[in-house]
Amino acid sequence: LAKTTQPISMDSYEGQEVNITCSHNNIATNDYITWYQQFPSQGPRFIIQGYKTKVTNEVASLFIPADRKSSTLSLPRVSLSDTAVYYCLVGFNTDKLIFGTGTRLQVFP
Amino acid sequence: GAVVSQHPSRVICKSGTSVKIECRSLDFQATTMFWYRQFPKQSLMLMATSNEGSKATYEQGVEKDKFLINHASLTLSTLTVTSAHPEDSSFYICSAWTSGGRTDTQYFGPGTRLTVL
Repeated sequence: LAKTTQPISMDSYEGQEVNITCSHNNIATNDYITWYQQFPSQGPRFIIQGYKTKVTNEVASLFIPADRKSSTLSLPRVSLSDTAVYYCLVGFNTDKLIFGTGTRLQVFP
Repeated sequence: GAVVSQHPSRVICKSGTSVKIECRSLDFQATTMFWYRQFPKQSLMLMATSNEGSKATYEQGVEKDKFLINHASLTLSTLTVTSAHPEDSSFYICSAWTSGGRTDTQYFGPGTRLTVL
């Protein structure tokens, strides 16, 4: 099972772009990279998923270099409501997902 | 995205009683579901893999006789905390994989807050 490493915490201000990088050096060929957001006392919420290069949806972008040993979640123009813990996970199909520490993002006004 | 529900969302019980938590996949079938536990300010910790029609697979250190898992159908898994004690108080979250588009994605339930008095 691929292990992920992320910064423990990050601070930002409203309106700024936030980039959270995740390291997954032993990612397997079939693994996809998925990012989740979690608010206190709620289950993790799916944000974005990708395999390689760049993926963009209505809330975020995911950048994955060619070697796939890391990935970067980009949140454009964050607001106070983006204050949460963000988890990067790698896995495939019915794999069990092992959570790392996650990154606690604090957005200030 | 796919929807996973949990019931109840919050439960308070006395020490020594048993509590059952339900996890349902509302709009898809899930042969495999997962149960996690999360303590305050900590990450999710995988407890077990729930397999439809067969025994659950428990992670190291998780007592299978204390945390009973039953995956009776393709849309329902239950976690029963038997003889609960205050140290079992935690936030329990289930999840399930579903196929959508080019790949599979794991979706999580909203969680169940268990408080044992």
